[in-house]
Amino acid sequence: GAVVSQHPSWVICKSGTSVKIECRSLDFQATTMFWYRQFPKQSLMLMATSNEGSKATYEQGVEKDKFLINHASLTLSTLTVTSAHPEDSSFYICSSPGLAGASRNEQFFGPGTRLTVL
Amino acid sequence: GENVEQHPSTLSVQEGDSAVIKCTYSDSASNYFPWYKQELGKRPQLIIDIRSNVGEKKDQRIAVTLNKTAKHFSLHITETQPEDSAVYFCAASISNSGYALNFGKGTSLLVTP
Repeated sequence: GAVVSQHPSWVICKSGTSVKIECRSLDFQATTMFWYRQFPKQSLMLMATSNEGSKATYEQGVEKDKFLINHASLTLSTLTVTSAHPEDSSFYICSSPGLAGASRNEQFFGPGTRLTVL
Repeated sequence: GENVEQHPSTLSVQEGDSAVIKCTYSDSASNYFPWYKQELGKRPQLIIDIRSNVGEKKDQRIAVTLNKTAKHFSLHITETQPEDSAVYFCAASISNSGYALNFGKGTSLLVTP
């Protein structure tokens, strides 16, 4: 249980275009979804937290107008990188907390999306 | 902001030896400390975790210890095997964040036959 899928797995786009990444919870209701970014050979950095039906919360230094997050349903959260530039090239990973009870802390990660901006 | 320090950044051991990775955290309200193994281009894989009400946890060749007073926790891998080679990340829960995690910078572990 607690499977998270992510689409696309990789994308290459031209500078200035927008890219949408979808994150789906397949067998549970994800009221919260975290979006992380991981640059090559670096750690995962929390970008934002999305909650179903409300506005996302962004971490310091993350531009909310550039990284648009929508969490319109309990099984889908999307991250749109608007006007992408080469410096946005990264591995984007979503995760959702586990189910209620003792395992609530455990994170279930999507497989990640490799974004390359030319 | 709060952060997690992880050492060493690289670790090379011979097959069969033990490997130890250490992390410290600054958020005294953190109460969940997972360890992940990540292979290139893939999602982090949870290998063991510990909560703040426990000092030690073991699962076969892997163990984690937590010292809440000193705010540090460690990963111990015994009888290492070449397939243990990967990047390992520690993490600490971010208080008041709905279970988000603050990650260490990672340790690249190489186990040589």
